[in-house]
Amino acid sequence: KNEVEQSPQNLTAQEGEFITINCSYSVGISALHWLQQHPGGGIVSLFMLSSGKKKHGRLIATINIQEKHSSLHITASHPRDSAVYICAVGAGGGADGLTFGKGTHLIIQP
Amino acid sequence: KAGVTQTPRYLIKTRGQQVTLSCSPISGHRSVSWYQQTPGQGLQFLFEYFSETQRNKGNFPGRFSGRQFSNSRSEMNVSTLELGDSALYLCASSSHGPSNTEAFFGQGTRLTVV
Repeated sequence: KNEVEQSPQNLTAQEGEFITINCSYSVGISALHWLQQHPGGGIVSLFMLSSGKKKHGRLIATINIQEKHSSLHITASHPRDSAVYICAVGAGGGADGLTFGKGTHLIIQP
Repeated sequence: KAGVTQTPRYLIKTRGQQVTLSCSPISGHRSVSWYQQTPGQGLQFLFEYFSETQRNKGNFPGRFSGRQFSNSRSEMNVSTLELGDSALYLCASSSHGPSNTEAFFGQGTRLTVV
């Protein structure tokens, strides 16, 4: 069974700061997902990675398959980025059988 | 393109009752997965359906069941509800092609058992 560890669990930062959230997993995977969850529950998929690096707007996600580690970066953070960020890993494809980290609760203060 | 739709959004049931939750995936997606989210256990995998067949199952008791219809819509059922079943139930769909594909989540159904 894959163990997924996220750090930090909680993060409070000032608007404009560069944010990094880390995710480590114990067993080889086929894909890693970064998800965002706002109060109210709905989950938005930010990235799906199987290698390398992806960028979308102010968000950057990287993965190192050999080290079993991924990072999510937010540049020029904004209060609207406040949410829970969750790392999830899967051995198969898509949303099947994902194992999740406990999430990072991010608060960006104006 | 409509997203993943879950109904109802909120539900209150009494211990011992049963409940059915519905999930309509993104058009063209044939894989639907269900997850339970609680404050104590976080997000946990329930089961995955593809083309009306359950292909993968998590570690939940038999009171939790599901099915998928020919139009890929999926339902999950929980029988003999317990207080501990109170949770946010999320479904996710994906196209599940030959390569890894993105997962798209619904807004969830918040179930409260009293």
